[in-house]
Amino acid sequence: AAGVIQSPRHLIKEKRETATLKCYPIPRHDTVYWYQQGPGQDPQFLISFYEKMQSDKGSIPDRFSAQQFSDYHSELNMSSLELGDSALYFCASSLDRRMAMNTEAFFGQGTRLTVV
Amino acid sequence: AQSVSQHNHHVILSEAASLELGCNYSYGGTVNLFWYVQYPGQHLQLLLKYFSGDPLVKGIKGFEAEFIKSKFSFNLRKPSVQWSDTAEYFCAVNEADGGSQGNLIFGKGTKLSVKP
Repeated sequence: AAGVIQSPRHLIKEKRETATLKCYPIPRHDTVYWYQQGPGQDPQFLISFYEKMQSDKGSIPDRFSAQQFSDYHSELNMSSLELGDSALYFCASSLDRRMAMNTEAFFGQGTRLTVV
Repeated sequence: AQSVSQHNHHVILSEAASLELGCNYSYGGTVNLFWYVQYPGQHLQLLLKYFSGDPLVKGIKGFEAEFIKSKFSFNLRKPSVQWSDTAEYFCAVNEADGGSQGNLIFGKGTKLSVKP
């Protein structure tokens, strides 16, 4: 079965550079979530999208932005990177829970971002 | 605001020992409950989930969890652990009430080390 695809799997950037992470949800899933997991930390919710509109916002820094495109894939854009942005970034997708309550989120493999 | 507490930061067991990992949440409404496992360097994988019905849920790899509403708990259990269960385990909740957006709130995680 198709899973959530994230690219790239690994990314090394220098401070103050920009990075773009991509997420391709499971086919027919229209809701995408982004999470950040720092070293030894629990995943923290950043932002979510439903039907190409921002659905909810968590602890996403102002330097980050995200969007969901017409094919439902999502991109997380990170600018002015800081050392503290080094983390594993997970994308998850689900069916819109407002239409189908009790749906679960399926996670991608993650993108490991290292800022040097 | 919701929160999830996992009582044990690191648990060390010998193979064949029984496992119980504690998870408590705080939220006044109805929640969906999840346990995820994360093997070293890997993404989050769903072990089991509770939406409604029988409070004792069985998941993959011989894991089970019991939802005790009066205690706001969802403890994970396995009768006999294996070395391959060495991983980090995350308890997570999201709101099951209408109008919520579905993003997961994770506990801090419990690292399980199983000695062969």
